[in-house]
Amino acid sequence: DTGVSQDPRHKITKRGQNVTFRCDPISEHNRLYWYRQTLGQGPEFLTYFQNEAQLEKSRLLSDRFSAERPKGSFSTLEIQRTEQGDSAMYLCASSLGPSYNEQFFGPGTRLTVL
Amino acid sequence: AQKVTQAQTEISVVEKEDVTLDCVYETRDTTYYLFWYKQPPSGELVFLIRRNSFDEQNEISGRYSWNFQKSTSSFNFTITASQVVDSAVYFCALKNYGGSQGNLIFGKGTKLSVKP
Repeated sequence: DTGVSQDPRHKITKRGQNVTFRCDPISEHNRLYWYRQTLGQGPEFLTYFQNEAQLEKSRLLSDRFSAERPKGSFSTLEIQRTEQGDSAMYLCASSLGPSYNEQFFGPGTRLTVL
Repeated sequence: AQKVTQAQTEISVVEKEDVTLDCVYETRDTTYYLFWYKQPPSGELVFLIRRNSFDEQNEISGRYSWNFQKSTSSFNFTITASQVVDSAVYFCALKNYGGSQGNLIFGKGTKLSVKP
């Protein structure tokens, strides 16, 4: 399978714990995006990397959230001191070339904060 | 303001019926891109089509067709002879050429149920 992969697919955690998600983009894709999707809503943009540089962060990305993309390959999204409001599906996408090219999405990581 | 509105929250049709999913967008940019994605029950968003603001030609791909009208800021999606496998949530999205390089702005989606 050469698509975008995400790990884990599901994560249940207690409020206050830290969690980390991983995304492996399509191998030649230079752009990588993180989105959050809650029930009944469309995905909402969180942050974006071009190669290893984090070029944009949404105001949705509070200081408890941090993302990295070392060496411009896989990316991690960490949430510290999780809150119940963080419960959502976290989607990763990647694309190649200009920013207006289509983004290809992974299956997502569903986070449940108890 | 940049915004995508999908006014139809849920649509239910019987197999073989035609169905149109509406999408209305707002943007101040003259250059922009519009997308449709399908999200089946498995959850993974699947890219369907991209159109740029300078190309208003309608497009047909098999049973799928798209009608882009700048005059009404609409980019509607029609499925002809629907099938049960078309059941999914469909999202329309907007990307401006300038400004944010990463941000796809999604509508809230339309849930399509095709019954046998």
